[in-house]
Amino acid sequence: DTGVSQDPRHKITKRGQNVTFRCDPISEHNRLYWYRQTLGQGPEFLTYFQNEAQLEKSRLLSDRFSAERPKGSFSTLEIQRTEQGDSAMYLCASSSTSGPNIQYFGAGTRLSVL
Amino acid sequence: AQSVSQHNHHVILSEAASLELGCNYSYGGTVNLFWYVQYPGQHLQLLLKYFSGDPLVKGIKGFEAEFIKSKFSFNLRKPSVQWSDTAEYFCASHSGGGADGLTFGKGTHLIIQP
Repeated sequence: DTGVSQDPRHKITKRGQNVTFRCDPISEHNRLYWYRQTLGQGPEFLTYFQNEAQLEKSRLLSDRFSAERPKGSFSTLEIQRTEQGDSAMYLCASSSTSGPNIQYFGAGTRLSVL
Repeated sequence: AQSVSQHNHHVILSEAASLELGCNYSYGGTVNLFWYVQYPGQHLQLLLKYFSGDPLVKGIKGFEAEFIKSKFSFNLRKPSVQWSDTAEYFCASHSGGGADGLTFGKGTHLIIQP
């Protein structure tokens, strides 16, 4: 499967713990996006990278959230000191800079904070 | 800031009925528009997209959408639905020519009764 891959698929954690998610984009894609989706809502943009550079961050991305893409390939999203309100599906998408910005999504990581 | 509105949150149809899901966007400049579908237990998949040119765009599985600039609308249509079309449908936009994240509507949950 050469699509966008996310790991883990599910994560259950206790409030106050740190969690980290990984996203592997489609191999030739140099743009990578993170979104958050809560029940009954559409995905909300969090941040995006072009290669290793983080070019835009949403105001939804609080100080407890940090994303990296150190070598311009896979990316990680870390949430520190998780809160119950962080429970959501975290989606990753990728696109190519050659051509129009069409984003392809992974299956997501579902986070449950107890 | 961009916003996307989907008028119907839940739609129930019988097989062979015609479908139209409403989507309105608010953005003053050039805009790119998308419909994504999420089948039960699966990731978001691109149904169709509009960037420029013919305002009537055709997508996969017999879906089409029409971009009406004067109405800021991008409604999704299918002349005859099937049980397998049961899914969540999301309308999304981003500014034309940009690399920014997508702005999604809240989604429409479509149920097709056999």
